[in-house]
Amino acid sequence: QVQLVQSGAEVREPGASVKVSCKASGNTFTGYNMHWVRQAPGQGLEWMGWINPNSGGTNYAQKFLGRVTVTRDTSITTAYMELSRLTSDDTAVYYCARESGGNSFDPWGQGTLVTVSS
Amino acid sequence: QSALTQPASVSGSPGQSITISCTGTSSDVGTYNLVSWYQQHPGKAPKLLIYEVYKRPSGVSNRFSGSKSGNTASLTISGLQAEDEADYYCCSYAGSSTFVVFGGGTKLTVL
Repeated sequence: QVQLVQSGAEVREPGASVKVSCKASGNTFTGYNMHWVRQAPGQGLEWMGWINPNSGGTNYAQKFLGRVTVTRDTSITTAYMELSRLTSDDTAVYYCARESGGNSFDPWGQGTLVTVSS
Repeated sequence: QSALTQPASVSGSPGQSITISCTGTSSDVGTYNLVSWYQQHPGKAPKLLIYEVYKRPSGVSNRFSGSKSGNTASLTISGLQAEDEADYYCCSYAGSSTFVVFGGGTKLTVL
């Protein structure tokens, strides 16, 4: 059973960057795309992008192009999501989720709260 | 504004059935049988309930079922239980350009 464990909560000032990690247990890290989804307080889910851990190839939502970078370190089965030029609108819980059958997401990490405040 | 349209809230009594709709377009729901549904309890991560329109992952109760007609997908929960009270999100593949779209979410209240 794969588990995804994310890094802890972060606080950043506007204009700064944040990097969130997502460590996958088990030995299937390179076999499935890893996605990042965020959820602002009281709001719905918003897809940000994905990485193919095997090739390193990425795909990002248009909204985040130029601001988001997803990377991975296969030696430690960990994916990363870095978001730059933060504003208060980026305050949200950020989730990693492994792509499963039919472009679904399962499992999900526990979420990482990123707060952007001066 | 979310790409997929869901009702903001639905409610039902224990034992009843409810259906949550998810309306997209011919660019997503209408073209691809890659609709998934997620349940999210407060403060928790989403949980996969349905994938590929109607398939259930191992361990998900058969009280949850999915379907699709045209540009609209639906999630039906039968035999409502108190623990079904949660937010529900639909999601669809939307092609190699947009890739993924979510619905705005539906809050289910069990009366």
